[in-house]
Amino acid sequence: KAGVTQTPRYLIKTRGQQVTLSCSPISGHRSVSWYQQTPGQGLQFLFEYFSETQRNKGNFPGRFSGRQFSNSRSEMNVSTLELGDSALYLCASSEKQGMNTEAFFGQGTRLTVV
Amino acid sequence: EDQVTQSPEALRLQEGESSSLNCSYTVSGLRGLFWYRQDPGKGPEFLFTLYSAGEEKEKERLKATLTKKESFLHITAPKPEDSATYLCAVQAGNYGQNFVFGPGTRLSVLP
Repeated sequence: KAGVTQTPRYLIKTRGQQVTLSCSPISGHRSVSWYQQTPGQGLQFLFEYFSETQRNKGNFPGRFSGRQFSNSRSEMNVSTLELGDSALYLCASSEKQGMNTEAFFGQGTRLTVV
Repeated sequence: EDQVTQSPEALRLQEGESSSLNCSYTVSGLRGLFWYRQDPGKGPEFLFTLYSAGEEKEKERLKATLTKKESFLHITAPKPEDSATYLCAVQAGNYGQNFVFGPGTRLSVLP
């Protein structure tokens, strides 16, 4: 069974640009969540999607947005990039939403904003 | 506000030297406590889920325990390949994945 796949693995963008990251969950998993990981703040929850609807949102500005498609694949978009957005962005998938279920993480996308 | 702290921040052990990592949490309505292992440049790898105080789970050299305020990850006779950052996360509230992660403990096991 294939794991969670995130593309691209590495990305370099200029301040002010926008970026879109992609996540393909484990087959059969319908919940996809996104996290930002930085050395200073650790892992922080961005948002969760289930059945193409955003179910939860963390404390991030509106520049961070996402969506989920009917095949459960998800994309995350960051507009007007700032230097502080440089981080490892992780996607996690799980079978169900609203249940005590573990999440399986992808390898992440390393975003560098210059 | 839900909070998770982990100690120590970093730990160096000799191969075979057993020890424990601590995860303390303050949450309203704990639904589950999770342990993950993360290697440099990779995503976290799931280890355990604990749901109620008194619960214990084991996997190879690792054993996780849970009380009402904290969880311990015991490492017995560690090997160099156990070197990684160990993350603790809690799920609280009524629904949703929404993990709150601790800062992690960076473990180094020397041969």
